Amino acid sequence: SQQGEEDPQALSIQEGENATMNCSYKTSINNLQWYRQNSGRGLVHLILIRSNEREKHSGRLRVTLDTSKKSSSLLITASRAADTASYFCATVLSNAGGTSYGKLTFGQGTILTVHP
Amino acid sequence: KAGVTQTPRYLIKTRGQQVTLSCSPISGHRSVSWYQQTPGQGLQFLFEYFSETQRNKGNFPGRFSGRQFSNSRSEMNVSTLELGDSALYLCASSLDRPAYGYTFGSGTRLTVV
Repeated sequence: SQQGEEDPQALSIQEGENATMNCSYKTSINNLQWYRQNSGRGLVHLILIRSNEREKHSGRLRVTLDTSKKSSSLLITASRAADTASYFCATVLSNAGGTSYGKLTFGQGTILTVHP
Repeated sequence: KAGVTQTPRYLIKTRGQQVTLSCSPISGHRSVSWYQQTPGQGLQFLFEYFSETQRNKGNFPGRFSGRQFSNSRSEMNVSTLELGDSALYLCASSLDRPAYGYTFGSGTRLTVV
């Protein structure tokens, strides 16, 4: 079963606008990661935020993490048509037993469409 | 440097057959994970290998198995294929530990007819 939910399920914007996607999860995490997927191909790692971090930036990407609310958001500024893709948040669970090795738990994803 | 390589890219099999998918991780990456992606269930974790040992396994039936070789290359096998096994199978490699991101291959699209 999925760890959490992503919101919205689909987002349609014009080039130059900002896009914000939200992700909620259910259990304690070690870190949260965002991935992009173009048309059913492989996932591309965008950014990772650790559970003790609140905000992280990478180029036009800004990620926030609120562990008290078990939620994260991904902001893409000045969107481009090339940003059109599905975006997934994925969590690595915090487990002292180590059973979270290699296991990403994904949300259902947000489909972003950026119109030229 | 080369990315994660998955072969084959596309595969069509008949119900009841078995299939083997291959994944070559990034050089130096010893952790290899496998995921199944379907429109209905989304991305689901299958298993993870590190140094030829399975460290973690998802909730899939025993028909799904995998292994890792000494050069970190990994294979997954699905026996007695069912129509519901039609999916995009993705492999990911990592340096290890949950603190790092994962690099995914382009996937193998399996269609069971």
